[in-house]
Amino acid sequence: EAGVTQSPTHLIKTRGQQATLRCSPISGHTSVYWYQQALGLGLQFLLWYDEGEERNRGNFPPRFSGRQFPNYSSELNVNALELEDSALYLCASSPYRKTSTDTQYFGPGTRLTVL
Amino acid sequence: QKEVEQNSGPLSVPEGAIASLNCTYSDRVSQSFFWYRQYSGKSPELIMSIYSNGDKEDGRFTAQLNKASQYVSLLIRDSQPSDSATYLCAVKEGGGADGLTFGKGTHLIIQP
Repeated sequence: EAGVTQSPTHLIKTRGQQATLRCSPISGHTSVYWYQQALGLGLQFLLWYDEGEERNRGNFPPRFSGRQFPNYSSELNVNALELEDSALYLCASSPYRKTSTDTQYFGPGTRLTVL
Repeated sequence: QKEVEQNSGPLSVPEGAIASLNCTYSDRVSQSFFWYRQYSGKSPELIMSIYSNGDKEDGRFTAQLNKASQYVSLLIRDSQPSDSATYLCAVKEGGGADGLTFGKGTHLIIQP
């Protein structure tokens, strides 16, 4: 069974530009989560999508947004890039069944560098 | 504001010994607890999940949960050099209505 996939592996942008990151969940998983792992800050929850809807978001500004497509894949968009947006962006998926026991499985990540 | 605290380390353990990793959390409504292993430059890999008080064993790994003390730990028996990595503790509220809250991780070094 294929795991969570993300593209691109690396992305280099300049300040003020927009970045688009993509994620395909494990087959059968309907929930997609986005996390940011910046140096020294640890993994921080960004967004959660399920069945095409944004279900929750972490403490990030609105320029971080995304969507989930009918096939459950997802996009993360970061507008007006700032230097501190440089980080590893991780996507995770889970078979959301409205229980607390859903385990999240992570993709390999996209390394975003903002110059 | 939910917080998950871990000792950043590095925690150095001789090969073959038991490595003990600890985590405390602030939110009493937390219901699900996870340990992930992350090698440098790689994504987190699930090691263990635990939901009830007590111990849960899986091979060389044992997770321990004490909700009254808001404490969760991971024991690694017969530590191997390949266990050298950063171990992330994560918690989630019941109902699946939130992303995971992670600690900053403990850097574990197994000395051959």
